[in-house]
Formats: sequence, C-alpha cells, structure tokens
Amino acid sequence: GDSVTQMEGPVTLSEEAFLTINCTYTATGYPSLFWYVQYPGEGLQLLLKATKADDKGSNKGFEATYRKETTSFHLEKGSVQVSDSAVYFCALWPLGSSASKIIFGSGTRLSIRP
Amino acid sequence: SAVISQKPSRDICQRGTSLTIQCQVDSQVTMMFWYRQQPGQSLTLIATANQGSEATYESGFVIDKFPISRPNLTFSTLTVSNMSPEDSSIYLCSVGGQGNYGYTFGSGTRLTVV
Repeated sequence: GDSVTQMEGPVTLSEEAFLTINCTYTATGYPSLFWYVQYPGEGLQLLLKATKADDKGSNKGFEATYRKETTSFHLEKGSVQVSDSAVYFCALWPLGSSASKIIFGSGTRLSIRP
Repeated sequence: SAVISQKPSRDICQRGTSLTIQCQVDSQVTMMFWYRQQPGQSLTLIATANQGSEATYESGFVIDKFPISRPNLTFSTLTVSNMSPEDSSIYLCSVGGQGNYGYTFGSGTRLTVV
C-alpha cells in the first residue's frame, strides 16, 4: 500500500545552518505531496505542497521538489532560524479516489540552537 | 482554504469520565476527519464523519469509545468516552481532500487523563 518514510529525528542544528529533511514515498499513480509543520503546543499547518512531478513547493524559505524518478520530496531551507523549531510531517494524498485519505510520515523533530 | 475552530484547546480529565471535542468550520464541507496524535507520534486517523450518515471508523477504533456527531455541514463533535490515561493525546479535526488543496487542521485538543 501507499506509504511515506521520512528521516528520523531529532535533528539539531545551529542557527543559519542548511536544513534537509528527507522524505520518500511509495504510491501508485501520481499523488499530491505535502509538508506540514507542527509548532510546540499547536495543531498542524500546511507548509507547502506539490501536485505533479517536478513541481517545487515553497513557503517561508522552505522548498521541496516532487521527484518522481526518486520518489522523493525532501524539505530544504538554506538558513534556519530558532523559530523553525517544530515537528515536520511529510504526507501524501493518493489521487483518483474520493475515498483515499492523506497518509503521514512519522514526523521529524527539528531543534535550532541560537 | 477553510478555517477550523476547535475547542477545548486542552483539558485535564479524571479517568472514567468523558470529554466532547467540538470542531466548527467556516464553510460547508462534505467530509470531516478526526485524528489522534499520541505523545511523540504521528497522526492516526480515528474516523471520517459525513453529514447525514454514520461515521466510518478505522481499524482499532470503535463507536462506543469515540462516538462522533455530524449534525450539519460545518460542525462535528468527537467524544472520548470512559477515559483512561492511555487516551492522553492530542486530538485533531481536519477537513479537505478536495482537488489538490490538501487538508486543513484544527489547532488540536491536548487531553491529559489522570
């Protein structure tokens, strides 16, 4: 069945470091791909999305490119800030069926040191 | 995208009691979803709530424990019944899955059972 595998955390970086959080997926067809962020004590917020191969989603300095050849959707940011400390979830939504549901990865906790 | 108001934001409850969580959406939606997020874990879908029909529960979740109401297209409730400490989690409602817009989440209810 469809699944999402993402980099295990926690990930700890210094401020202004480069960030990559890996995400790969298994799916039939062409799913939509998402990154959600959960700040401490809050619900999930959609960070960015991509709906077809080679699409690049971007928001708040974060980027991720839908790579069908490697079935990946890695999250990157060139210079992280302390305020980026949160849990990041990669997710896919299988298209083609109204009954299909979004599938989440296990989440990656990111901590940024000042 | 839709805006979701979820309440309460947090509660501490005695074991054996029940808590009802409310989710209000600012637009009419066909499907609403309820998730559980256990400490340090990803999201697990509890059930899908369609207006005018019984909720559809995922494996491992039953109506007696998690009764759901969906009286109209903008509102739903989830009750956590006969609570035990193992029910301590964040509960989130969600709408979406239409087209490529992804899913929108409420801010979550952080439940602690003592």
